[in-house]
Amino acid sequence: ETGVTQTPRHLVMGMTNKKSLKCEQHLGHNAMYWYKQSAKKPLELMFVYNFKEQTENNSVPSRFSPECPNSSHLFLHLHTLQPEDSALYLCASSQDRVTGELFFGEGSRLTVL
Amino acid sequence: GDSVTQMEGPVTLSEEAFLTINCTYTATGYPSLFWYVQYPGEGLQLLLKATKADDKGSNKGFEATYRKETTSFHLEKGSVQVSDSAVYFCALTPQGDDKIIFGKGTRLHILP
Repeated sequence: ETGVTQTPRHLVMGMTNKKSLKCEQHLGHNAMYWYKQSAKKPLELMFVYNFKEQTENNSVPSRFSPECPNSSHLFLHLHTLQPEDSALYLCASSQDRVTGELFFGEGSRLTVL
Repeated sequence: GDSVTQMEGPVTLSEEAFLTINCTYTATGYPSLFWYVQYPGEGLQLLLKATKADDKGSNKGFEATYRKETTSFHLEKGSVQVSDSAVYFCALTPQGDDKIIFGKGTRLHILP
């Protein structure tokens, strides 16, 4: 139990579907992150939220839309994805942005058909 | 720019063998250095860290020493177990910056 919970753990969707990934942290942290982990590629930072404000968007396509309603919850809304978007999506949190100590959830394994 | 380079995997060892996973970095000043581990089916978790030169991070029998002169942070364990099979990521945060930069990861297989 890392204190960061992601749902669903597995998701299969068609290219025309709209779905959302959810992340919740119970650690009282102020920063939350979305990472994409694909086979044989380095971890890709997608979005960063600090105190509910988006502070980083690493040129992520608009078919991925993040939402952070409060410091404990983070969503990733998915719309008209492509098969190459199939990956493990990891949520993480940290006390603040400068420590480098991230707490990860177990990930949501996404398959786009 | 700042970067982390890890040895290519997979690394396969027998149980009780000595482990070294090499990590070198490129960064100005004094970054903070980390090792994260990802067990099968799980997210990453922090294994150990070092924040200044000559510091040694340690946890669960793993150790790594921050070597400024060789810009390295090699991960070592004296006697590995099957349960150590995982992917290990070296990472850094540049001095005065809030980005964390991960290496590509090294997959470790331990045979019983």
